[in-house]
Amino acid sequence: EPEVTQTPSHQVTQMGQEVILRCVPISNHLYFYWYRQILGQKVEFLVSFYNNEISEKSEIFDDQFSVERPDGSNFTLKIRSTKLEDSAMYFCASSQDRDTGELFFGEGSRLTVL
Amino acid sequence: QKEVEQNSGPLSVPEGAIASLNCTYSDRGSQSFFWYRQYSGKSPELIMSIYSNGDKEDGRFTAQLNKASQYVSLLIRDSQPSDSATYLCAVNIITRGADGLTFGKGTHLIIQP
Repeated sequence: EPEVTQTPSHQVTQMGQEVILRCVPISNHLYFYWYRQILGQKVEFLVSFYNNEISEKSEIFDDQFSVERPDGSNFTLKIRSTKLEDSAMYFCASSQDRDTGELFFGEGSRLTVL
Repeated sequence: QKEVEQNSGPLSVPEGAIASLNCTYSDRGSQSFFWYRQYSGKSPELIMSIYSNGDKEDGRFTAQLNKASQYVSLLIRDSQPSDSATYLCAVNIITRGADGLTFGKGTHLIIQP
């Protein structure tokens, strides 16, 4: 069964460092998303991406965040200067049909900022 | 502000019984409703979607939607220990599709063998 894959599964970084989280969405999906979940808290929407541009972003997705689809398969989330409060699980998701809202999530990348 | 509220639990149900999970939402414009299951340390997994008032059944799962009351529920029949997980309710406005799905904090369900 096709799945969304994410790397790395866990990254530890020092505050102020740049981090890139990578995702390979399901191959025939056109809509891509990043969500995050701070330990013990809700899953929160960060950004959606379609046709090589951001279609929607939340207030969490400030200037330190960026997304890119550098080639035909990878979808990346970059955090420019990490803060302690960026420590969370970051989930990539993809969808074939935006209107249904049915998302398929990757296993997540756990980011720990020290 | 859009909010999705769930009782965090834990909700403890004996094996074989019906588990009933509830969710309320604040945005009357919400049109798409989802139940995700999340095992500890894992990612959310879609188990049900519902878009119109009434019941929708899929195997042991039944989703119920009442837009007038802004209420969504999930029933799990013949509960199994493997159903023990956190169940997340998520909603959105249909014109935005999956953009900006709002999740509840989840209900922790424990099925007692």
